[in-house]
Amino acid sequence: QSALTQPRSVSGSPGQSVTISCAGTSSDVGGYNYVSWYQQYPGKAPKVMIHGVSERPSGVPDRFSGSKSGNTASLTISGLQSEDEADYYCCSFAGSHIYVFGTGTTVTVL
Amino acid sequence: EVQLVESGGGLVQPGGSLRLSCAASGFTLRSYWMSWVRQAPGKGLEWVANIKEDESEKYYVDSVKGRFTISRDNAKNSLYLQMNSLRAEDTAIYYCARYGISATYDYWGQGTLVTVSS
Repeated sequence: QSALTQPRSVSGSPGQSVTISCAGTSSDVGGYNYVSWYQQYPGKAPKVMIHGVSERPSGVPDRFSGSKSGNTASLTISGLQSEDEADYYCCSFAGSHIYVFGTGTTVTVL
Repeated sequence: EVQLVESGGGLVQPGGSLRLSCAASGFTLRSYWMSWVRQAPGKGLEWVANIKEDESEKYYVDSVKGRFTISRDNAKNSLYLQMNSLRAEDTAIYYCARYGISATYDYWGQGTLVTVSS
């Protein structure tokens, strides 16, 4: 049950695109299409931004998109906005009703 | 409106016990798996436990097996986490979360802080 690996931080200017990677193994990210992404502001609860690898819940802006290739999932934020500055976590089903989160990435809008 | 409100956190000595509660409203609790997720100060999220709608299945992260017990009372719209033999490394904000489609935690409470220290 090792945490999925994410970059500690990514940054971009307003309007640019940033991509956050989430590296796992064939036992979690690579083995199931159950990857979700969460946004968390300081002192607040997480909020789901993507589920099922690439599905966007109602109300989430379409500048957020998810994908997966092999054992690595990715979250892309296009047209970066100041309100996107937050921590982001991936999460994957890992079989046998076990779940594993990523190490977390801080997005900074320059 | 879906709401999850945790309570029961506080300061406890190593080896002590604490019971967390989560009051659910705005949806039919008995129709959903539920979960506890924790976050140590300044650290990332960690899945702790899941419980099936009828309490017939329960799953835990290895580090809490044998010490923590997740339970629920659908009639009272409540989820619980009994924590025994607490350790310093259990210090965290504990979130109650609803387990929705595609293995997603679609609603979260505001969290309750548990501090294990002498």
